[in-house]
Amino acid sequence: DSGVTQTPKHLITATGQRVTLRCSPRSGDLSVYWYQQSLDQGLQFLIQYYNGEERAKGNILERFSAQQFPDLHSELNLSSLELGDSALYFCASSPDNTGELFFGEGSRLTVL
Amino acid sequence: GQQLNQSPQSMFIQEGEDVSMNCTSSSIFNTWLWYKQDPGEGPVLLIALYKAGELTSNGRLTAQFGITRKDSFLNISASIPSDVGIYFCAGQPDNTDKLIFGTGTRLQVFP
Repeated sequence: DSGVTQTPKHLITATGQRVTLRCSPRSGDLSVYWYQQSLDQGLQFLIQYYNGEERAKGNILERFSAQQFPDLHSELNLSSLELGDSALYFCASSPDNTGELFFGEGSRLTVL
Repeated sequence: GQQLNQSPQSMFIQEGEDVSMNCTSSSIFNTWLWYKQDPGEGPVLLIALYKAGELTSNGRLTAQFGITRKDSFLNISASIPSDVGIYFCAGQPDNTDKLIFGTGTRLQVFP
């Protein structure tokens, strides 16, 4: 158990819909990262927050947005969903910005 | 954008054999890390490297940060069945906090 909690674990929805994925980081960790992993693919970096502020951005689509709240939990919002958005979405937290990340178990999104 | 190329893509080895995999980048990275992902789970950190030329071990695992800062390798000695999984290199490009992952090496170990 990494201490990072992601909900929901599984989500099935239709094209055009909007979903919100939630992440609670390890106690005390200020940094939260979001990654997308499609079937048998690598981890694509989406976005990183540190203590409530956006710190780094990757290949995140305009239809996607995220934020980190004052209690340090984070949410990833995915809108106008397409079939290709089906993937595992991982959240990871870190106490600093050294790259030593603790990953949650992921949220599996299926878009039908 | 930055890309990390990992090789080989997959490996099929016999229990007890040594394994070597590497990761290269076209740009400089100031941190290299190696993660392992088991099926249905999130990646877990194995080794972190912070200085060019650094060689670090963690049990049967050894990793090195290339002196050009554009590559890293991971060795696993005397492989065992529980080494099965996907191994990812990851790096932080200069002057950024983002962590980029490689394409992964899928390892299968046969008894």
